[in-house]
Amino acid sequence: AQSVTQLGSHVSVSEGALVLLRCNYSSSVPPYLFWYVQYPNQGLQLLLKYTTGATLVKGINGFEAEFKKSETSFHLTKPSAHMSDAAEYFCAPACTSYDKVIFGPGTSLSVIP
Amino acid sequence: DGGITQSPKYLFRKEGQNVTLSCEQNLNHDAMYWYRQDPGQGLRLIYYSQIVNDFQKGDIAEGYSVSREKKESFPLTVTSAQKNPTAFYLCASGTGNTEAFFGQGTRLTVV
Repeated sequence: AQSVTQLGSHVSVSEGALVLLRCNYSSSVPPYLFWYVQYPNQGLQLLLKYTTGATLVKGINGFEAEFKKSETSFHLTKPSAHMSDAAEYFCAPACTSYDKVIFGPGTSLSVIP
Repeated sequence: DGGITQSPKYLFRKEGQNVTLSCEQNLNHDAMYWYRQDPGQGLRLIYYSQIVNDFQKGDIAEGYSVSREKKESFPLTVTSAQKNPTAFYLCASGTGNTEAFFGQGTRLTVV
């Protein structure tokens, strides 16, 4: 199964500071990759996705991520954190017709006023 | 609107009872998944199904059962054999290299 690793179970940033959440994948074939956001007591929402083509992908709420094959990474960034960004973030591979989807432990983002 | 629906949103169970969580999707997705979420532990896969009438165990299947009689439906039963069922349960669906589409979750509490 394709798997991902998220470094840092909890990240704190000041309001207005750069947000960087790390995700590395393990696969001999570059997978499709996704970032999701989860607010308390809700399901996961898609933030952005990499499938093919441009390696820098933009998502909702000002987030973006860059797929780097040489580093097997797909880190999530946002130039300026907002209080409303406080949530749980998950990186994951795609659904397929032959394998299960394994999520990492997630990264909890706190934004300090 | 297309989507995935979980019900109920909140569920209370007495010890020793079986309870069933509903998950329905109208997205025509082949694959459906059940995850359990506990504080600080991310999402753990309980069961998944890639096709009607077939499903596989995930990492924490003990004490749970599922069925997939229809493409649209993938109910999860939490049996009395599950010793610590209090958790947030999430259902998802997807197909062919897409993202997973999630329901809003069911919070199960043992009373």
